[in-house]
Amino acid sequence: DIQMTQSPSALSASVGDRVTITCRASQSINNWLAWYQQKSGKAPNLLIYKGTSLESGVPSRFSGRGYGTEFTLTISSLQPDDFATYYCQQYNTYPRTFGQGTKVEIK
Amino acid sequence: EVQLVESGGGLVQPGGSLRLSCAASGFSFTNYWMSWVRQAPGKGLEWVANIKQDGSDKNYVDSVKGRFTISRDNAKNSLYLQMDSLRAEDTAVYSCARDTVGLILPVGFDLWGQGTLVTVSS
Repeated sequence: DIQMTQSPSALSASVGDRVTITCRASQSINNWLAWYQQKSGKAPNLLIYKGTSLESGVPSRFSGRGYGTEFTLTISSLQPDDFATYYCQQYNTYPRTFGQGTKVEIK
Repeated sequence: EVQLVESGGGLVQPGGSLRLSCAASGFSFTNYWMSWVRQAPGKGLEWVANIKQDGSDKNYVDSVKGRFTISRDNAKNSLYLQMDSLRAEDTAVYSCARDTVGLILPVGFDLWGQGTLVTVSS
């Protein structure tokens, strides 16, 4: 199985900060990587697909980079609505696997 | 409205069975693979299984192979998960998700339900 490792597991940041989350795959997944945002008690919401493509309706302050085994999700200017848990997920092979999540908290 | 609504969760004893349902509406159900994803309390997301548009192909995570069966009824726009030989570690919120595998542009899971809680305990 492909292991997806996110770092950090949690971070504290202020409104307006630039935030970057890293996701590493245990083997190459090309660019078959998605990022999701999950707020407490809610369903996950797709933010980024194919590593770098912004899902329709997602604010442009979210961006994704990477290919192969290393990927990043960046929020250019953190907004109050962005405090949530973020997950990466590979859809290159079965079983589909997720990172363990990164909780973004208010500083 | 485009949505997925799960039902069928509850409390079940270890070794017991439960059948989850997911009702799809607002989109062409037959155009999509569908997946089940679970989340144990306070934990991360775990993909469980998916099924092809016509039901002819299915995939499972190893931990549920031989115990869980995914199926669908396209006439009813419904997805199911039959869960047998349940264990305490199967306790989780189970969500159905629209799976874009096989589309011209796969994007992952682009639509999720709110989930239904399954608790396995004596």
